[in-house]
Amino acid sequence: AQTVTQSQPEMSVQEAETVTLSCTYDTSENNYYLFWYKQPPSRQMILVIRQEAYKQQNATENRFSVNFQKAAKSFSLKISDSQLGDTAMYFCAFMKPVLTGGGNKLTFGTGTQLKVEL
Amino acid sequence: DTGVSQDPRHKITKRGQNVTFRCDPISEHNRLYWYRQTLGQGPEFLTYFQNEAQLEKSRLLSDRFSAERPKGSFSTLEIQRTEQGDSAMYLCASSLVERNEQFFGPGTRLTVL
Repeated sequence: AQTVTQSQPEMSVQEAETVTLSCTYDTSENNYYLFWYKQPPSRQMILVIRQEAYKQQNATENRFSVNFQKAAKSFSLKISDSQLGDTAMYFCAFMKPVLTGGGNKLTFGTGTQLKVEL
Repeated sequence: DTGVSQDPRHKITKRGQNVTFRCDPISEHNRLYWYRQTLGQGPEFLTYFQNEAQLEKSRLLSDRFSAERPKGSFSTLEIQRTEQGDSAMYLCASSLVERNEQFFGPGTRLTVL
């Protein structure tokens, strides 16, 4: 079974600064996907960024980028130029894809509450 | 709005009562997932459907829980004889089989008194 660990329950960052959220995972699979989801106070989960394990290049989406270290089973999220609207709970998630019998279900970490301050 | 919708958004019930939640996925999505999220935790997988077929159920889904997706469109999650430990946010998500991105609904918050 896969596990996802987020060791930072809470973090804060000043507006316009950069922050990095950590995530480690444990799996014996070679082919999988990793995600960061954002859950603002309104509670609807929103996908931030996705990484395919077979791709060495780190994914980027505007101000969001990841540092994917497959051998170390580490998947951190960097938020650049932090904005007040980035305040949310951030969840790291693992997915074993359909083609390898995974069913595409997500396994989530416990989350990191990020607060962006003025 | 063409996103995932869930109804009701909040439900308060007394212990022992039955409750039913509904999820309407994005219209062309053939996969539908149910997750449960308790306070301070990440969502945990409960079950998923591909079209009308329920393909996997978590061990978290006790005999008191049942889910259906009769026509491959909306889904219902029923909890019978609710217990205080069932209090949680119940999240629904949908996706296309060939895509790995799941789109989440706003959730139904259940409080069992």
